[in-house]
Amino acid sequence: EIVLTQSPGTLYLSPGESATLSCRASQSVSSTSLNWYQQKPGRAPRLLIYGASNRATGIPDRMSGSGSGTDFTLTISRLEPDDFAVYFCHQYDGAPYTFGQGTKLEIK
Amino acid sequence: EEQLVQSGAEVKKPGESLKISCQASGYGFSTYYIAWVRQMPGKGLEWLGVIYPSDSDTEYSPSFQGQVTISADTSIGTAYLQWTSLKASDTAIYYCARRIYYGSGSYGLDLWGQGTRVTVSS
Repeated sequence: EIVLTQSPGTLYLSPGESATLSCRASQSVSSTSLNWYQQKPGRAPRLLIYGASNRATGIPDRMSGSGSGTDFTLTISRLEPDDFAVYFCHQYDGAPYTFGQGTKLEIK
Repeated sequence: EEQLVQSGAEVKKPGESLKISCQASGYGFSTYYIAWVRQMPGKGLEWLGVIYPSDSDTEYSPSFQGQVTISADTSIGTAYLQWTSLKASDTAIYYCARRIYYGSGSYGLDLWGQGTRVTVSS
């Protein structure tokens, strides 16, 4: 099973700052098979990035994904109040498909 | 408007059976995979499995194989997740989501239901 480890667990930042979220895989994952989701309390997840670096429909260009192999990053620039949520990475390169444990982005 | 609408919250006792639903509207239900994802209280996301409604081709995560059954009825645009004998550890929110293919081997869960909360307690 491919384990995805996200860091940090919680990230405290202020609106206007930039956030860098990390997702490290226990073995190499194809870049085409790594996605990022955002989840707000009481809501379903929302697809942000697919294929490591492609923004889903309606996602602002302030959000970008990068990485390859075992290290992937979600970067959010110019943080807005609506960005404070939990972010999950997800791999579907190898079964069982797995999610990271999440990074919570909190207002400082 | 494209949407997935899930059935309401359930409270069950251990050993009871349950079938929850996910009704699609606004798009061609038969031609997109539907995935089921679990979120235990205060925890992260877990992939249960996926179904292609057109031919009912189903793939389960090994952890959930034999524990749940995923099915679909194309005549009413609805996918299902069912248990024959619930356990307390099945307590969670269950989400259905549409899986879309972007090409070059990339997929995404781009449309989600609102979630069904299942509570199993004696």
